[in-house]
Amino acid sequence: RKEVEQDPGPFNVPEGATVAFNCTYSNSASQSFFWYRQDCRKEPKLLMSVYSSGNEDGRFTAQLNRASQYISLLIRDSKLSDSATYLCVVNMKGGSYIPTFGRGTSLIVHP
Amino acid sequence: GAVVSQHPSWVICKSGTSVKIECRSLDFQATTMFWYRQFPKQSLMLMATSNEGSKATYEQGVEKDKFLINHASLTLSTLTVTSAHPEDSSFYICSARGPEGLNTEAFFGQGTRLTVV
Repeated sequence: RKEVEQDPGPFNVPEGATVAFNCTYSNSASQSFFWYRQDCRKEPKLLMSVYSSGNEDGRFTAQLNRASQYISLLIRDSKLSDSATYLCVVNMKGGSYIPTFGRGTSLIVHP
Repeated sequence: GAVVSQHPSWVICKSGTSVKIECRSLDFQATTMFWYRQFPKQSLMLMATSNEGSKATYEQGVEKDKFLINHASLTLSTLTVTSAHPEDSSFYICSARGPEGLNTEAFFGQGTRLTVV
């Protein structure tokens, strides 16, 4: 089993749609969780951290379910500019809390 | 967010030559840096973790004699791909994390696209 798993998609949605991604992680001792966005041939950029109580940033909502070891990202009112790959990142408990990536979920927002 | 600068952004080299990639944290002291490799349509795969002033810790399957990592200062880490071959062609990305806490987010360099011909 991979340490961090995501559905690669692609998710193909119209503008204005609401879309949700899930990510599961294997190490129950993991402490920190993040969603990054990666555009084609570019480096990942931090989208948001994921807190235990859930958090929202504009159209984006992230949630954490420790019992089931998954995190989610909800995007409301999708924009064309949201098209990208969304990477789930978990700081795996170890000497250096290594940021461990899922393979990413591809989102395509069309007019 | 913090700024991490990676150089060069792309490089084409001949098979058998060595390539050095630099990763600098511009506005914070990076106690830990990570080097990743990403093949097309695949996830970022960790190659090694380096802490300033100590030897890098390599992931299983990554040859430490081929991928030399030096983290001599709190703002600079380098990855040297020695005797590069076409199968080493990939997107190499560094990330850096400051001393605020081990369990914080990492910031990424712009990546280096290496093509070995």
